[in-house]
Amino acid sequence: DVKVTQSSRYLVKRTGEKVFLECVQDMDHENMFWYRQDPGLGLRLIYFSYDVKMKEKGDIPEGYSVSREKKERFSLILESASTNQTSMYLCASRPILSGTGIPEAFFGQGTRLTVV
Amino acid sequence: AQTVTQSQPEMSVQEAETVTLSCTYDTSESDYYLFWYKQPPSRQMILVIRQEAYKQQNATENRFSVNFQKAAKSFSLKISDSQLGDAAMYFCAYRSDGGGADGLTFGKGTHLIIQP
Repeated sequence: DVKVTQSSRYLVKRTGEKVFLECVQDMDHENMFWYRQDPGLGLRLIYFSYDVKMKEKGDIPEGYSVSREKKERFSLILESASTNQTSMYLCASRPILSGTGIPEAFFGQGTRLTVV
Repeated sequence: AQTVTQSQPEMSVQEAETVTLSCTYDTSESDYYLFWYKQPPSRQMILVIRQEAYKQQNATENRFSVNFQKAAKSFSLKISDSQLGDAAMYFCAYRSDGGGADGLTFGKGTHLIIQP
């Protein structure tokens, strides 16, 4: 089974702190994603990466950055955490479609971040 | 940009009965994928069912089936013989088949309650 692991299920950070959310996948997937989930808004794409050191902005990148130094690891960085970044963060991965026939993404268990 | 609309914030059904969750989407593309994901209280996003737009036949997975109407841009999920374990948030999601690393576009979700 594909396993996507997020380093923390719960985090509490102070305003202004630099926050790192880590995600690791064990299936050699090329594509990795970070989503933010808020009640009544569904999931929104923050950033994604299609290869090591490559990244693309999603729909709501402001206030976030990402790092992908290794294929299996994709980190989300909150440069200076603010209270409006209190949310659930979900990491996902999926292979490139060609040759795999797998179009769906596989998700981690989520990190609930509270910024106080 | 694509949009996904789930018009039912919450649905309730008696155990063993059938329930249908609605989803409509807007796109100008002809090749894409549609998904239903389930998110129980554990927060783990689980793929329920997927549909390739080029396939006319509706996808089925055990008690879960979809009614895919491409011209109407509608993608509803039917759950037959509802079980207590089906209680969860259900998200409809869209993904382009453009060959890139596109992320998923999600609806806002439907909270499904199963009455014993």
